[in-house]
Amino acid sequence: ETGVTQTPRHLVMGMTNKKSLKCEQHLGHNAMYWYKQSAKKPLELMFVYNFKEQTENNSVPSRFSPECPNSSHLFLHLHTLQPEDSALYLCASSLDRVEQYFGPGTRLTVT
Amino acid sequence: DAKTTQPTSMDCAEGRAANLPCNHSTISGNEYVYWYRQIHSQGPQYIIHGLKNNETNEMASLIITEDRKSSTLILPHATLRDTAVYYCIVRPEAFQGGSEKLVFGKGTKLTVNP
Repeated sequence: ETGVTQTPRHLVMGMTNKKSLKCEQHLGHNAMYWYKQSAKKPLELMFVYNFKEQTENNSVPSRFSPECPNSSHLFLHLHTLQPEDSALYLCASSLDRVEQYFGPGTRLTVT
Repeated sequence: DAKTTQPTSMDCAEGRAANLPCNHSTISGNEYVYWYRQIHSQGPQYIIHGLKNNETNEMASLIITEDRKSSTLILPHATLRDTAVYYCIVRPEAFQGGSEKLVFGKGTKLTVNP
């Protein structure tokens, strides 16, 4: 257990659905991250939040919409996704942006 | 793009030391060396990081060469649960103005055999 939890752990959704991924950290960290890991590809950073403010968006399509209501919670809202968006979505957190602690991930399948 | 090169795979006998090399010949003076690992279908796990001195914690030791162009992660007594992909990453500390980005390459697939 790393202190970072993600729900749901598995999600299957159609291309017209709207769903949300949730991440919660219990470590008192002040930065949170969303990463995407596609099959046989390295992890890709999607978004970074520091003290609830978005500080990085790595050219992520608008069908992915992050939300960070406080330093402990991070959401990723999904709508009109494509099959190629199927991947493992990982949340991470850090204190003062040093080492990052990852959650177990949400395995997303878009049908 | 990853700024490190690692062997694709390595094997180690259970109970023996696992020594995982990493080359980072273009490392800058303000860049740290980080190691993470990812056990199958789980999120990456932070292991250790260092700048130029050797570092040790409860999980592993990190040996960085004097010219900082390469490093070795040492798992002193490997167990079957250490089977994972190990990633060597270089980046400046964010408080020094560096990017948040951890650039994961392909890593080394370590298999610990009984």
